[in-house]
Amino acid sequence: AQKVTQAQTEISVVEKEDVTLDCVYETRDTTYYLFWYKQPPSGELVFLIRRNSFDEQNEISGRYSWNFQKSTSSFNFTITASQVVDSAVYFCALSDLTTSGTYKYIFGTGTRLKVLA
Amino acid sequence: KAGVTQTPRYLIKTRGQQVTLSCSPISGHRSVSWYQQTPGQGLQFLFEYFSETQRNKGNFPGRFSGRQFSNSRSEMNVSTLELGDSALYLCASSLVSGGAGDTQYFGPGTRLTVL
Repeated sequence: AQKVTQAQTEISVVEKEDVTLDCVYETRDTTYYLFWYKQPPSGELVFLIRRNSFDEQNEISGRYSWNFQKSTSSFNFTITASQVVDSAVYFCALSDLTTSGTYKYIFGTGTRLKVLA
Repeated sequence: KAGVTQTPRYLIKTRGQQVTLSCSPISGHRSVSWYQQTPGQGLQFLFEYFSETQRNKGNFPGRFSGRQFSNSRSEMNVSTLELGDSALYLCASSLVSGGAGDTQYFGPGTRLTVL
């Protein structure tokens, strides 16, 4: 079954702390895509990263880094030296081919990150 | 490049009415997907359109419908509104198909309140 689990509902950290948001996925496909989005209070989902199943290299973009491990079906997101502006809801998403032959794009339930000054 | 635009941004309707929401994708993008976001259910996929054809559909009742025009703009319609339809409706555009791994870019959403 196709599924994305973000077990952390809400995380609070103090500014400058590092924080990791967990994402575990389930898929039967060998070809799939994983995404992270940020949703600030304004409501618009902002794309952060896309990763395909054949590329397990970790990625770093400024204070953001992503750790993709197929062995544990996880695609975790770390923010280094968090800032108040990082406060948002973060969604992990999976895109793959379903048993009905169509592609589906499903989201996890999101993790609300609160960064306190 | 302009991003995804959605109109209106806010809408208040009463039960039983119908509503039409509009989405203009990023220029050159041919796929438009719609999502409903509620606190209780999270982000739920409604449907995806590509080249004026519905390519994929989520598990929503027939009261929810959509269409796409030749310029890739899309509308979704909800008839006979219920209180539970109150939600943030998000539109996302992608080059070919969001479901097939293309990155989806989201609009700011339309917040619908049903009284």
